[in-house]
Formats: sequence, structure tokens, C-alpha cells
Amino acid sequence: DAGVIQSPRHEVTEMGQEVTLRCKPISGHDYLFWYRQTMMRGLELLIYFNNNVPIDDSGMPEDRFSAKMPNASFSTLKIQPSEPRDSAVYFCASSLRRLAGENTGELFFGEGSRLTVL
Amino acid sequence: EDQVTQSPEALRLQEGESSSLNCSYTVSGLRGLFWYRQDPGKGPEFLFTLYSAGEEKEKERLKATLTKKESFLHITAPKPEDSATYLCAVKVSYKYIFGTGTRLKVLA
Repeated sequence: DAGVIQSPRHEVTEMGQEVTLRCKPISGHDYLFWYRQTMMRGLELLIYFNNNVPIDDSGMPEDRFSAKMPNASFSTLKIQPSEPRDSAVYFCASSLRRLAGENTGELFFGEGSRLTVL
Repeated sequence: EDQVTQSPEALRLQEGESSSLNCSYTVSGLRGLFWYRQDPGKGPEFLFTLYSAGEEKEKERLKATLTKKESFLHITAPKPEDSATYLCAVKVSYKYIFGTGTRLKVLA
């Protein structure tokens, strides 16, 4: 399996521009998570989906942030308009509900999208 | 409020000098405690899952233990390649809440 795939890996944009980050989860996983990582605050959960349905978006900082999951193999996180304080690394992760056997219910992370807003 | 605290924030060890990292938590309804390793510019990589107090898991030079209030990641005779940030996370319902990590540097 290719793992969780995120794009772009790096994005530099001007304040006020729209930013769209993309994620392809591991095939068969039924949970998808978006996290933001900064030095000051570590990994913060923004939103998570179960079977393509948003379950908890209480971590989304404000209305400028939105996330969608139109199907089981694709999700987007959009920031409009972007601000310098949005600069961070954004991670997508997926997991499978823990079942008996080898699956331990852990999160599998992508390599992240590093966003810089000037 | 569910909370995860890791200590120390940073740790420098000489090669071969064993030590422990701490992860303390206050959550309602723990459904698992996870340890991850993160290298610079990479996503976190899964190490261990612990589910109940008294449980232990080992992998090479690493051993993770769990009590009702905290978890330890013991590093025995570390090598420079063990240098990384170590993150712990607790699973509450279907959410994973992370600590801010311990940055480990092992000197040759």
C-alpha cells in the first residue's frame, strides 16, 4: 500500500489567497483526520471524518477553514482567505476502527503539507 | 478537559546512556495510548499501542509501559539513530489527542 498521500508538500502563498490541501487515505480505512502542527502548540486536531461524514470539527479554528470528503479516497482542507498565522505543517491521517487481530487502531500519517503564508 | 503532557521537552543523551520519557494524561474513557516517532520533515511513525494498566511493549531498544495516569518510553543504550521527536497520544472515543513531544538527541 502507498500509505497516506498528501499534496502539495510545500505551499507558499500571499495573505488573502485561497489554499487547498489534498489527502488520499489508505484504501479501506474508514476514519480520516486533519491535524495542524506548530512548534508552539504541537499537533492539533482540526476535524475528523468517519465513512466520509464529518464527525467533529470543533478544532477548526474559524470559518476561514473548511474540509470536505466527497468520497472514501479523497479529502480536502481549504483555507480562504489565508493569513500568516495559518503557517504550519498540516497532516492528514487515516485509521481503521480497531478490530480483533493485528490491527491496533493506530493512525497512519502522510508526510504533511508545509504551508507558509506571507 | 482531556489533556496529555509530555516531559521533558528536550533530552540530550550520550550514546549508550539509558533514560525514560514521560507521558501523563487526564482523560475520560481512555481507548488506547499510542507512541509515535517523528523525524524532521516527516509524518509521525507508529511505534506502540497500550490499552490497559500494566501492559508493556518492546521493540529493539524501546520499551513502553502504562499505568492508570501515565506512560513511560524507556530507551536502553540509545544510538544516534534514535534521535527524533517522540510523541504520545491518547484515544478518547475516536479522537486522538497528542502531547507536544520530547525532542531526543543522542550524541555519538
